Amino acid sequence: QKEVEQNSGPLSVPEGAIASLNCTYSDRGSQSFFWYRQYSGKSPELIMSIYSNGDKEDGRFTAQLNKASQYVSLLIRDSQPSDSATYLCAAWPPSKIIFGSGTRLSIRP
Amino acid sequence: DTGVSQNPRHKITKRGQNVTFRCDPISEHNRLYWYRQTLGQGPEFLTYFQNEAQLEKSRLLSDRFSAERPKGSFSTLEIQRTEQGDSAMYLCASNQGTGNSPLHFGNGTRLTVT
Repeated sequence: QKEVEQNSGPLSVPEGAIASLNCTYSDRGSQSFFWYRQYSGKSPELIMSIYSNGDKEDGRFTAQLNKASQYVSLLIRDSQPSDSATYLCAAWPPSKIIFGSGTRLSIRP
Repeated sequence: DTGVSQNPRHKITKRGQNVTFRCDPISEHNRLYWYRQTLGQGPEFLTYFQNEAQLEKSRLLSDRFSAERPKGSFSTLEIQRTEQGDSAMYLCASNQGTGNSPLHFGNGTRLTVT
């Protein structure tokens, strides 16, 4: 079992709709969780961090954490073509930060 | 904040040669991480430092890989006797080393072994 699991996609969402990205993790000791966006050929860039159960909103992005279910999600509202990228979920077990394999998101016009 | 800097951006080498990459972290960050990423995969942890101490090294990392962080500032990653399977993007990242501190990535070094 991988430590951080994501559906590889691709996930295709129409422009203007809500994109929902999911992630599960295996280490119950994980305290911090991060979502990164990665465009092809570029390095990952941080979108959101979440540390407590519940929702955290930042602009069009909402991160959700459920530690009992070991589940993290990212919602992107009003999806734009520029949101087309690979989204990486990461967990801090702690010590090193572990990444999932990423979900490819494609926003179609 | 000048960001994390990695050099070179690209490296092409022949199988069997040694290569060395450099990473300069954000100056106030005490932790520095090396990851490797291949196409379609997420970043794979290689090793990390807190100041000059190497605290963890992936069990997947062969003895051909070595990393240093002298004086707790920049870091180097050396790969000896490169193999074609070493071709990947090598990413360096840094953070403050606390539980809620996200990683800040450099632009990466893309290694191609021919």
